[in-house]
Amino acid sequence: AQSVTQLDSHVSVSEGTPVLLRCNYSSSYSPSLFWYVQHPNKGLQLLLKYTSAATLVKGINGFEAEFKKSETSFHLTKPSAHMSDAAEYFCVVSEVGGSYIPTFGRGTSLIVHP
Amino acid sequence: GAGVSQSPSNKVTEKGKDVELRCDPISGHTALYWYRQSLGQGLEFLIYFQGNSAPDKSGLPSDRFSAERTGGSVSTLTIQRTQQEDSAVYLCASSLSGSSGNTIYFGEGSWLTVV
Repeated sequence: AQSVTQLDSHVSVSEGTPVLLRCNYSSSYSPSLFWYVQHPNKGLQLLLKYTSAATLVKGINGFEAEFKKSETSFHLTKPSAHMSDAAEYFCVVSEVGGSYIPTFGRGTSLIVHP
Repeated sequence: GAGVSQSPSNKVTEKGKDVELRCDPISGHTALYWYRQSLGQGLEFLIYFQGNSAPDKSGLPSDRFSAERTGGSVSTLTIQRTQQEDSAVYLCASSLSGSSGNTIYFGEGSWLTVV
C-alpha cells in the first residue's frame, strides 16, 4: 500500500527567503514521487518527478526535491521565493509494481509575503 | 489542443438533477483518471481507465456516480440525482500508460455547484 503525508497544511514565507515544503511517503514497492502545483482556479501542473534515477531532482521555476529513502521523505525546496510561487502544492506517490493509481497528499498552501 | 480538455468548465445544477462531465485526454494516452477536489481539500480518486481493461471503480463514492470511456479516448463522468455534497471540482487526467513513472497531465477541471 502507498500513502503520502504533507506535514504542513500552510507555509508562510517572505519573498526572497527559502521555501521548504515537507513530504513523507510510505510504499511497499519502489516509489515514483511527484510534486504538482495548483494556482488558484487552475489545473495541476507538474513541478518535478523522481523515478529511481538521481536522488536530487530539479524541476521548473527553480524548485528541486531530494529523495531520501532512509527518511522516506521527498521534501520540496527553493532557494528564494517569488510572489508568483504562492499556490497549493501536492506531493504524489505511485508505486512501481503496485497500484498504478497515484495517491495525492492533502496539499500545502504556500503563502508569500512581500 | 495538446492538453487534457474538460467540459463544461462550470456547471450549476439543481439538487436531484443528473449531470455529465466530459474529458478529452491527450491523444495517444491510454490511461485516464478522474479525481474530485472539494473546497480546501486534497484530491480524491474516483475512477481509472487503462486501455481496454476493466476500469478501477474503487474510488466512486456511491452508485450515483458512473463513468465510461468510449473508443479508448473520450470519457464521461455521470452523477445521477445530484446532492449538495457533490459540489466540487472534478479533475480529469491522462498519462501515456498506467506505468507509475509516467507523468499525469491534468485538465483545468469542471466546477460543479449543486443548489
